[in-house]
Amino acid sequence: SQQGEEDPQALSIQEGENATMNCSYKTSINNLQWYRQNSGRGLVHLILIRSNEREKHSGRLRVTLDTSKKSSSLLITASRAADTASYFCATADISNFGNEKLTFGTGTRLTIIP
Amino acid sequence: NAGVTQTPKFQVLKTGQSMTLQCAQDMNHEYMSWYRQDPGMGLRLIHYSVGAGITDQGEVPNGYNVSRSTTEDFPLRLLSAAPSQTSVYFCASSHNGPLSTGELFFGEGSRLTVL
Repeated sequence: SQQGEEDPQALSIQEGENATMNCSYKTSINNLQWYRQNSGRGLVHLILIRSNEREKHSGRLRVTLDTSKKSSSLLITASRAADTASYFCATADISNFGNEKLTFGTGTRLTIIP
Repeated sequence: NAGVTQTPKFQVLKTGQSMTLQCAQDMNHEYMSWYRQDPGMGLRLIHYSVGAGITDQGEVPNGYNVSRSTTEDFPLRLLSAAPSQTSVYFCASSHNGPLSTGELFFGEGSRLTVL
């Protein structure tokens, strides 16, 4: 079963605007990660946030984590055409401690309109 | 470094045939895993390994076998292919695993069609 559910499933914005994607999950987590997948390619790791962190930045990316609501958001600022891709959240669950599993959501398809 | 290399990139099988998807990494990573990606379902974990000689099941292990005889290689075997196994398969590795190191490095995928 899927742990993370991204919202929205698809998002189209104008170049230069900010894009926000949300992820909800079900269990207690050790960390939450975001990945990007360009069409026909493998996934690329973007950022990791641990359960004791609330916000993290990396370049134009900002990730927040609310463990009380079991949710995370990924903000991409000043979007570019090259940001067009699918974005996935993934969780490493505390309940599976000792079982090293990373569970992915269903993804958000982001399209940047030039 | 080549990173994570998957072969073949494309494969067409008939129902009942067997085959092996190869995965090799040159980063000396202890952790390796196999996922399948289907439309609308994200990625689902098939099997994973935390080191040579150690494997464990993921979310959807039925119909697949794995072994880990070396640190570098983690092949995925389909013993008797079924149309339901039509999918894109991704191999991923990391230094110590999602709970500690976190970041997974992915291969480019192997696209399998079972007729």
